[in-house]
Amino acid sequence: GAGVSQSPSNKVTEKGKDVELRCDPISGHTALYWYRQSLGQGLEFLIYFQGNSAPDKSGLPSDRFSAERTGGSVSTLTIQRTQQEDSAVYLCASSFGSGVSGNTIYFGEGSWLTVV
Amino acid sequence: AQSVSQHNHHVILSEAASLELGCNYSYGGTVNLFWYVQYPGQHLQLLLKYFSGDPLVKGIKGFEAEFIKSKFSFNLRKPSVQWSDTAEYFCAVKTDSWGKLQFGAGTQVVVTP
Repeated sequence: GAGVSQSPSNKVTEKGKDVELRCDPISGHTALYWYRQSLGQGLEFLIYFQGNSAPDKSGLPSDRFSAERTGGSVSTLTIQRTQQEDSAVYLCASSFGSGVSGNTIYFGEGSWLTVV
Repeated sequence: AQSVSQHNHHVILSEAASLELGCNYSYGGTVNLFWYVQYPGQHLQLLLKYFSGDPLVKGIKGFEAEFIKSKFSFNLRKPSVQWSDTAEYFCAVKTDSWGKLQFGAGTQVVVTP
């Protein structure tokens, strides 16, 4: 597609439920990133993929968070047993590569997650 | 530790004033540098980027930034701001060892009419 596509755009879930957030990167982009932006907070790195592997998953806040990427394209971020502190905007981004080769990183519009 | 610092968390200025937002990073190797902007209720948009070459880069909406390697800085400037420049501005750095794009904490800019 023309840009990074994320779904759902908004999700309200009950505490304790599992949620899945989807990211469809720009076609041909091999690097994919997940970030989280909480109210009044900056951008918190979660994980990034190069192809289907995740060289850096150091930002995942707990073992309730996991992500996968299949076929070098679509990625899913899963949050199990959601807590209220998980409420945030989850941003996905993609680029042609992950090195310092001059690749611009493009962001999607985000998935707004509210845990009630 | 590797980091990106934005000096001002909140800036308030009047229309037509000049704007400069500071950004410093801690990494001695090759870097790609970015400024992103987030307008109220909108998603992140790229303002400008530096990869190599001329250290003075120009972006959209009259913004420019200067890479000073010796100071590990990439400050954003605009000579005359408009009310529509009210937004949050994020500096971001990518290095050959970080892999990920590391963001500063952001600067909230409010331009009053």
